[in-house]
Amino acid sequence: QLQLQESGPGLVKPSETLSLTCTVSGGSISSSSYYWGWIRQPPGKGLEWIGSIYYSGSTYYNPSLKSRVTISVDTSKNQFSLKLSSVTAADTAVYYCARSGATIFGVVIIPNWFDPWGQGTLVTVSS
Amino acid sequence: EIVLTQSPATLSLSPGERATLSCRASQSVSSYLAWYQQKPGQAPRLLIYDASNRATGIPARFSGSGSGTDFTLTISSLEPEDFAVYYCQQGLRVTFGQGTKVEIK
Repeated sequence: QLQLQESGPGLVKPSETLSLTCTVSGGSISSSSYYWGWIRQPPGKGLEWIGSIYYSGSTYYNPSLKSRVTISVDTSKNQFSLKLSSVTAADTAVYYCARSGATIFGVVIIPNWFDPWGQGTLVTVSS
Repeated sequence: EIVLTQSPATLSLSPGERATLSCRASQSVSSYLAWYQQKPGQAPRLLIYDASNRATGIPARFSGSGSGTDFTLTISSLEPEDFAVYYCQQGLRVTFGQGTKVEIK
């Protein structure tokens, strides 16, 4: 059974870079059938997609966060990672990693639905 | 950006009743629409993908329909464990709706 687990600091100072890693177990991150994504949820609010990465390294990012986000993949460790720079209090949220279905759309492969999800990790931005 | 608008914001129903949740897209997303259930303190769970396909292990009382811009999630007969928040999500350039809370009347 595929499982995902987020790890990283729970507290980040304003203006610094948030760094999280998602470790995948029970399956290979190198499958051509899936993307791997990050989604966040501020306390008491809805879900916001951050971005997704294919095993080849191809990425899609939320346009509203694109200038501050980097997602990378390490197939040797079966992990993918998130870096979000110049954080503010507005970036305080539960951060989830998830597997994403890869769908052929015209001549490109795009991330689609998300399943399964990690349990999530709360990251607080505060000095 | 494709905006997803869910309605109603809150649905108050009793166990055994039928729930009908709506998700409208600001432009066509074909059938690239998924539905999730989220309970307090838990990660979202995929219920429906590609508008009408039930995910693995999801009970048959959950069904999805629609294409283009208008989609519906139906719970045929609410069980006590179905009271939760439901989100729709489109897969062309991923965005989520704001959620519908299904609460006990």
